[in-house]
Amino acid sequence: QKEVEQNSGPLSVPEGAIASLNCTYSDRGSQSFFWYRQYSGKSPELIMFIYSNGDKEDGRFTAQLNKASQYVSLLIRDSQPSDSATYLCAVNTGGGADGLTFGKGTHLIIQP
Amino acid sequence: DVKVTQSSRYLVKRTGEKVFLECVQDMDHENMFWYRQDPGLGLRLIYFSYDVKMKEKGDIPEGYSVSREKKERFSLILESASTNQTSMYLCASSPRTDGEQYFGPGTRLTVT
Repeated sequence: QKEVEQNSGPLSVPEGAIASLNCTYSDRGSQSFFWYRQYSGKSPELIMFIYSNGDKEDGRFTAQLNKASQYVSLLIRDSQPSDSATYLCAVNTGGGADGLTFGKGTHLIIQP
Repeated sequence: DVKVTQSSRYLVKRTGEKVFLECVQDMDHENMFWYRQDPGLGLRLIYFSYDVKMKEKGDIPEGYSVSREKKERFSLILESASTNQTSMYLCASSPRTDGEQYFGPGTRLTVT
């Protein structure tokens, strides 16, 4: 069974600090990992993807992947109030034939 | 930039009506997806299509059908709307079945 697990939160982080969002997945065959940001009432927006073990940085965002532990995380440096949103982790499952499986998301609140 | 559009942002229908939701993408993507999103349940895949006239059932296809007559357009059909189909419906497209997905703005459907 395909599962992608995230802590629902809310995760409260002071402005300027590092926000750390975590995701675990059950399908050992997964190869592609994505992070989406979703503001209330809006659709998900792709912010990062990662395919290889290790870190991938894009501006204030860093995605970290550990396939052995089946764990992917997203770090947001210098958090801003505009980063307050729900963050969805998505993982390809079923050998890639079924599209992506999404976690239910972590609600992040950046406190000014 | 990838552009995915959906025919309506808000829709109100009566129980038993046939409902059509349309999605159009302008990036020549092979793969298109329909999800519904409900509080506490996350994104759930209804149907997807990896080519014109091809369709595959997702996790919750009951009560829905789809049509893909042209590459850029993917339609979701509620054969006989019921109140439990009140939800946010999200369309997405992707260059690969296991690749990043780009979402449209969503249609909030209310069935009364």
